[in-house]
Amino acid sequence: NAGVMQNPRHLVRRRGQEARLRCSPMKGHSHVYWYRQLPEEGLKFMVYLQKENIIDESGMPKERFSAEFPKEGPSILRIQQVVRGDSAAYFCATAGGDTYEQYFGPGTRLTVT
Amino acid sequence: DAKTTQPTSMDCAEGRAANLPCNHSTISGNEYVYWYRQIHSQGPQYIIHGLKNNETNEMASLIITEDRKSSTLILPHATLRDTAVYYCIVRAMNSGYSTLTFGKGTMLLVSP
Repeated sequence: NAGVMQNPRHLVRRRGQEARLRCSPMKGHSHVYWYRQLPEEGLKFMVYLQKENIIDESGMPKERFSAEFPKEGPSILRIQQVVRGDSAAYFCATAGGDTYEQYFGPGTRLTVT
Repeated sequence: DAKTTQPTSMDCAEGRAANLPCNHSTISGNEYVYWYRQIHSQGPQYIIHGLKNNETNEMASLIITEDRKSSTLILPHATLRDTAVYYCIVRAMNSGYSTLTFGKGTMLLVSP
């Protein structure tokens, strides 16, 4: 996990608020993946981005969720008008260079009250 | 990507080898076998991957059967810190930076 940074580590939001989760890739990595882990469940893919482009968003809910990976700065997963069912651990993974392995960050634990 | 089957849980005594099996009978020629683990409340950690030859690194060894329909992850000297959920994932590599599909994995409990 060394090198992939996620912040905040814990985030509490009231229903209806917005949540912004940040992921800073390992040095040299330009591919970012977001996964969600609901309580007592496995990890599910949400979205895959390269710099300034969304490559695959097949796992992303159609409404309220969006992701970006700008030319400068971290990747951001944005959840608008959060509901209790959004409470989960959100992990990002990054890849790049000469290997395809994904390296995960420590996760952001979102709690919606 | 091919489906994998793993036991739900396994126990191992500290200091002994932990052998975690995985069945992937529908694996195709361009699919690799990847192993990740997730220690409680942490992000998944890459362990090892292989195509058809056995592989070894500082963390573990991966033994893939000749027909590639199953594999075994070996932790040679398990420690308490190896207690985690271990995921066996089959991943097509012709797609390069493809996503990972996690199943339920095997919960390995290492006891003193």
